[in-house]
Amino acid sequence: EVQLLESGGSLVQPGGSLRLSCAGYGFTFSNHAMTWVRQAPGKGLEWVSVVSGSGGSTFYADSVKGRFTISKDISKNTLHLQMNSLRLDDTAVYYCTASEKWLGVDYWGQGTLVTVSS
Amino acid sequence: SYELTQPSSVSVSPGQTARITCSGDVLATKYVRWFQQKPGRAPVLVIYDDTERPSGIPERLSGSSSGTTVTLTISGAQVEDEADYYCYSTADNNKGIFGGGTKLTVL
Repeated sequence: EVQLLESGGSLVQPGGSLRLSCAGYGFTFSNHAMTWVRQAPGKGLEWVSVVSGSGGSTFYADSVKGRFTISKDISKNTLHLQMNSLRLDDTAVYYCTASEKWLGVDYWGQGTLVTVSS
Repeated sequence: SYELTQPSSVSVSPGQTARITCSGDVLATKYVRWFQQKPGRAPVLVIYDDTERPSGIPERLSGSSSGTTVTLTISGAQVEDEADYYCYSTADNNKGIFGGGTKLTVL
């Protein structure tokens, strides 16, 4: 059974940085593309970033490009999202997802809350 | 354009058929996934590749596609189907797209 467990969410001031992690269990990490999806309070789902199975290809939403960096440590079955220059509108629950298909978002973690506030 | 449009809300009585549409130019060539999200919970995949149902998803949920519009149909809707539903597809620029979400009310 595929399991994804996010961690690292917390309260951070505008302009600050935060690193989210997602531990994966029950699947071959190198065979799965991993995607971060976020959901602001009371709002819909927003695609954030994707990394390929090997970790060699990455893409970002325009809203986070240049500020966020996605990466995966295949040896530790862990996905990361380094978030810099955080803004108030980055406040959201961040979900880690996985799929055997490129850009698929089939398996989801429970989410981790990031609050950007002064 | 890389947008997916859904109605903001759909309301049916128990036992009726609910239909939720998702429209967008990319749907002419890309598959859609549908997700169900209940309050405080992570989204759950209910339909993939426009019409396929993952194991464990009730048969009353089905998907169909025509041109640039895909439809999630819930036949004989039950109270437990009340949730937010999101369509999702992909663009040629290697990015994902979510629809704005549809709140389904069953009462």
